[in-house]
Amino acid sequence: KQEVTQIPAALSVPEGENLVLNCSFTDSAIYNLQWFRQDPGKGLTSLLLIQSSQREQTSGRLNASLDKSSGRSTLYIAASQPGDSATYLCAGGSNSNSGYALNFGKGTSLLVTP
Amino acid sequence: DTGVSQNPRHKITKRGQNVTFRCDPISEHNRLYWYRQTLGQGPEFLTYFQNEAQLEKSRLLSDRFSAERPKGSFSTLEIQRTEQGDSAMYLCASSLGRLAGSYEQYFGPGTRLTVT
Repeated sequence: KQEVTQIPAALSVPEGENLVLNCSFTDSAIYNLQWFRQDPGKGLTSLLLIQSSQREQTSGRLNASLDKSSGRSTLYIAASQPGDSATYLCAGGSNSNSGYALNFGKGTSLLVTP
Repeated sequence: DTGVSQNPRHKITKRGQNVTFRCDPISEHNRLYWYRQTLGQGPEFLTYFQNEAQLEKSRLLSDRFSAERPKGSFSTLEIQRTEQGDSAMYLCASSLGRLAGSYEQYFGPGTRLTVT
């Protein structure tokens, strides 16, 4: 089974800082990797999807990279804002998972202070 | 709104009662997934459907759980004889699947279940 680990578990930064969230996975047969945002008590909002054939994806202030050989993905957030405060989850979809179901990490809880 | 919807958003029930949740996926998405999320954890896969066929169930899905997706449209997840350990957020997701070459999953807002 795909194991997904996210480091750090929690992060607090002042507004305006650039930051990196880390995700590692064990199954090199990963098909795609998705980054999600979750606000307290809410569902998941998809931020970025990286297919296994891609190395990175960008959306606005967000950039996600994927390195299958090392089993790592990073989410880079530029010029952080208080509204970015949330839990960020990475999840891998693998050929070995039923229907490409996602295996999630426990998330990184981000607090951006004004 | 054309996103994934789930009802109810919150459910409080007494131990031993049966509960049923509903998920309406994005129109034309042929794959539908159910996940469960407990506090401080990432979501865990429960089961998935391709159209109306339930193709896989996680070992987390005990005999007290049953899911259906009649006609390949909405899906229901029923829990019989609820236990306190069933308290969690139940999340539904859908994706276009193989025909469209996309397995990107879109999640609903979830149903928060509290068993007292």
